[in-house]
Amino acid sequence: AQSVTQLDSQVPVFEEAPVELRCNYSSSVSVYLFWYVQYPNQGLQLLLKYLSGSTLVKGINGFEAEFNKSQTSFHLRKPSVHISDTAEYFCAVRGGGSNYKLTFGKGTLLTVNP
Amino acid sequence: AAGVIQSPRHLIKEKRETATLKCYPIPRHDTVYWYQQGPGQDPQFLISFYEKMQSDKGSIPDRFSAQQFSDYHSELNMSSLELGDSALYFCASSLAPSLEQYFGPGTRLTVT
Repeated sequence: AQSVTQLDSQVPVFEEAPVELRCNYSSSVSVYLFWYVQYPNQGLQLLLKYLSGSTLVKGINGFEAEFNKSQTSFHLRKPSVHISDTAEYFCAVRGGGSNYKLTFGKGTLLTVNP
Repeated sequence: AAGVIQSPRHLIKEKRETATLKCYPIPRHDTVYWYQQGPGQDPQFLISFYEKMQSDKGSIPDRFSAQQFSDYHSELNMSSLELGDSALYFCASSLAPSLEQYFGPGTRLTVT
């Protein structure tokens, strides 16, 4: 079984500041990791994913994440945030093989203030 | 590019009524997933189908059933609705064995 822990439920930052949203996972098998963003009253949009290969993954809207197997982490970063980045961010894990489902963390609300 | 389509987008039902949610996957996608997101909660996996067969099952109540049809669209049937069923229901699709799930906009179900 796999699980995801998002360590911060809310992260307030000022516009143009850097941000890091933390995610730790646990899994007994190889994992595939994802970050999704959800704007108010909207669906889930994929930001980036780690499947294999380079541990630094770049996604849309200037976000990137680094897979760290030894620390079982997949933290999301952006060097300079905008007001429009205000949203809920979900880290998700999927196991290998025929285990198709995504297991989500509880989410982190990123609020970017002017 | 075509995305996942869900209908209806909003649904209001009374307790003990039934509801049917529909999901139309991205063309050529053969795998469909259903998730439930309660207010202020993370999405919880309900059930998935691959090539019209149930492939995985999560925390789906016995009052709910789902199926995938020959055109790959899926329907989630919910009976004896309870207040606690009020949530956002997402459908996602993928092209197995692709690992990337594409989510629809969701159906917001309100049970009164």
